[in-house]
Amino acid sequence: QQQVKQSPQSLIVQKGGIPIINCAYENTAFDYFPWYQQFPGKGPALLIAIRPDVSEKKEGRFTISFNKSAKQFSLHIMDSQPGDSATYFCAASSGGYQKVTFGTGTKLQVIP
Amino acid sequence: NAGVTQTPKFQVLKTGQSMTLQCAQDMNHNSMYWYRQDPGMGLRLIYYSASEGTTDKGEVPNGYNVSRLNKREFSLRLESAAPSQTSVYFCASSEPTRPGELFFGEGSRLTVL
Repeated sequence: QQQVKQSPQSLIVQKGGIPIINCAYENTAFDYFPWYQQFPGKGPALLIAIRPDVSEKKEGRFTISFNKSAKQFSLHIMDSQPGDSATYFCAASSGGYQKVTFGTGTKLQVIP
Repeated sequence: NAGVTQTPKFQVLKTGQSMTLQCAQDMNHNSMYWYRQDPGMGLRLIYYSASEGTTDKGEVPNGYNVSRLNKREFSLRLESAAPSQTSVYFCASSEPTRPGELFFGEGSRLTVL
């Protein structure tokens, strides 16, 4: 069963646009929601993360919005750049187990 | 600072052959993980080790075995490779105080013919 559902599978935006990637989860025990960024030929790297006690977190041009009641969270990339072209994974974990469950990934292409 | 190092980076096997993927981390992390990445499937946990001397099954453990050799090293073994195990394998590590913050290696691309 897929515990973290991610959409869309792929996304193309023009430079300066605001791509939005959405995720939904089922397990209410999840208490940590990271996003990972992966460039071709590299391993994923932590980009930004949020806990469910806050509704929004910003780090530079990256913002996570979190809706606990709907069990949904999303990543927004402000003023997107061609260098942001990568695959993005949402994820969720519960503190006691340290296991991280990943979404299926979104391949983002930012066109100059 | 190397972080998480995986070897080999590429490997081609024939069905039924065995091999071991090696992983080492130099961040003194307690927890280590093996994930596989397949198109449209995201990253799926194969096995993990919360601390030296312990291992547990993840989401897709069938066909794999692991060894936590010491705090630094965590290996993944395929005893009898199958074409369904063609994938990119990632090793990762983390600290218990920061669950969910995984540090990944650069991956090992395995093809089983």
